[in-house]
Amino acid sequence: EAQVTQNPRYLITVTGKKLTVTCSQNMNHEYMSWYRQDPGLGLRQIYYSMNVEVTDKGDVPEGYKVSRKEKRNFPLILESPSPNQTSLYFCASSRTSAYTEQYFGPGTRLTVT
Amino acid sequence: SQQGEEDPQALSIQEGENATMNCSYKTSINNLQWYRQNSGRGLVHLILIRSNEREKHSGRLRVTLDTSKKSSSLLITASRAADTASYFCATRDIDKLIFGTGTRLQVFP
Repeated sequence: EAQVTQNPRYLITVTGKKLTVTCSQNMNHEYMSWYRQDPGLGLRQIYYSMNVEVTDKGDVPEGYKVSRKEKRNFPLILESPSPNQTSLYFCASSRTSAYTEQYFGPGTRLTVT
Repeated sequence: SQQGEEDPQALSIQEGENATMNCSYKTSINNLQWYRQNSGRGLVHLILIRSNEREKHSGRLRVTLDTSKKSSSLLITASRAADTASYFCATRDIDKLIFGTGTRLQVFP
C-alpha cells in the first residue's frame, strides 16, 4: 500500500531534550516536506527536499533540522525543543515537486513542557 | 507567507444541501489544489486545477478557477455527514506549497 508513515504518532517531552520524528514513504517520491499545523494558523511548511541531499527552508524553519540521506526517509530533528514547538506535525511527499499531489502522513502530535 | 485564504472560516449545513467554499490567493499560479482533513488527521488530496482550466469535476466535487480574480471555489453537491471536515486550498510558491487556514465544514444528518 502506498503510504507515508510517521513515528511517533504522539510524543510528550521536556524543554531541551533532543528528539527526532521519522518520516518514510514507499512511493519513490522525489519531493518531501514537513509542515506544522497550529489553530488559526493553518499548515505552515518547515522544510522541504527536492531530492536526496537537497533540502531547503520553508516558512518556519527556526528550531528545526532535516536531512535527506535516502530517497524514502526525511527525518525532522528538534535539537532543543521549546514549548512553542508544541504542535501537530505532518510529513508529506509527492512525485516531483510542490506542483503535484501531496501525500500526507497521519501526523505527529508533539507536546513540549 | 499566506498564499491562500479560504472563506468562510466555518460552514454548517444539512445533509443533502450544497456547500461552497472559496479560496483567494495573491500571486500568479501554475495550479491550485484542494485538500480535505478529517479532524486531526493527515490531509487528503481532492482535486488539482491547472491555471489554464476554468472548471473541473470529480464525483460530487466541482472546482472553478478565476485567475483574473485570483480565486477558486470548491462546491460539494448533495453533501453527506461524512463530508464533515476541514478543506484547504494550496498554491505553489516556487518550490513551496502554501496552504490557507481552511474552511471547517459541518454537515448535520
